[in-house]
Amino acid sequence: DVVLTQSPLSLSVTPGQPASISCRSSQSLVHSDGNTYLNWFQQRPGQSPRRLIYKVSNRDSGVPDRFNGSGSGTDFTLKIGRVETDDVGVYYCMQDAHWPPLTFGGGTKVDIK
Amino acid sequence: EEKLVESGGGLVQPGGSQTISCAASGFIFRNSEMNWFRQAPGKGLEWVSYISSSGNVMYYADSVRGRFTTSRDNANNLLYLQMTSLRGEDTGIYFCARITSRSNWGQGTPVTVSS
Repeated sequence: DVVLTQSPLSLSVTPGQPASISCRSSQSLVHSDGNTYLNWFQQRPGQSPRRLIYKVSNRDSGVPDRFNGSGSGTDFTLKIGRVETDDVGVYYCMQDAHWPPLTFGGGTKVDIK
Repeated sequence: EEKLVESGGGLVQPGGSQTISCAASGFIFRNSEMNWFRQAPGKGLEWVSYISSSGNVMYYADSVRGRFTTSRDNANNLLYLQMTSLRGEDTGIYFCARITSRSNWGQGTPVTVSS
């Protein structure tokens, strides 16, 4: 199974400042079709998860452009350009390159200073 | 509006069974691959099962294989998760979701396995 390791475990950010979350995979997430299948989800307190980014860097509909995904192979990053109070929650990376099973990182909790 | 609404969760005794449902609306359900995920209290997300759009292909996490069965009724836009031999570690919020070209998640239904 693919193991995803996120860092840091938690992040406290001043509004307006940037934030960055890392996700490292135990194996390359490049699929045989040439695409890299790494997603980012946001889970606000008390809510269900919401996908922000798919295939490394593609934003889902309605996701603000201050959320940006990047990376390749086994190393990926989610950057929030300027953190807003609405961004509080837990962020998860998830791979669907080599499944079953679909696997998630352990999550990164973002709160506001 | 694309929507998924889970129902059927509740308190069940260890060793017992429960079936939860997910009603889909606002998109072409019969064309959509679907998944079940769960989240134990205070923990992260865990994939549980997958079912193809036609219902012919299913995959399960090792932790539930042989105990859980996922199925669907495309005529009525419904997804099911039948759970048997339930254990304490199955306690959590269960979400149905599609995560392919578009991603939608339900609000979740809680399942508590306890005596």
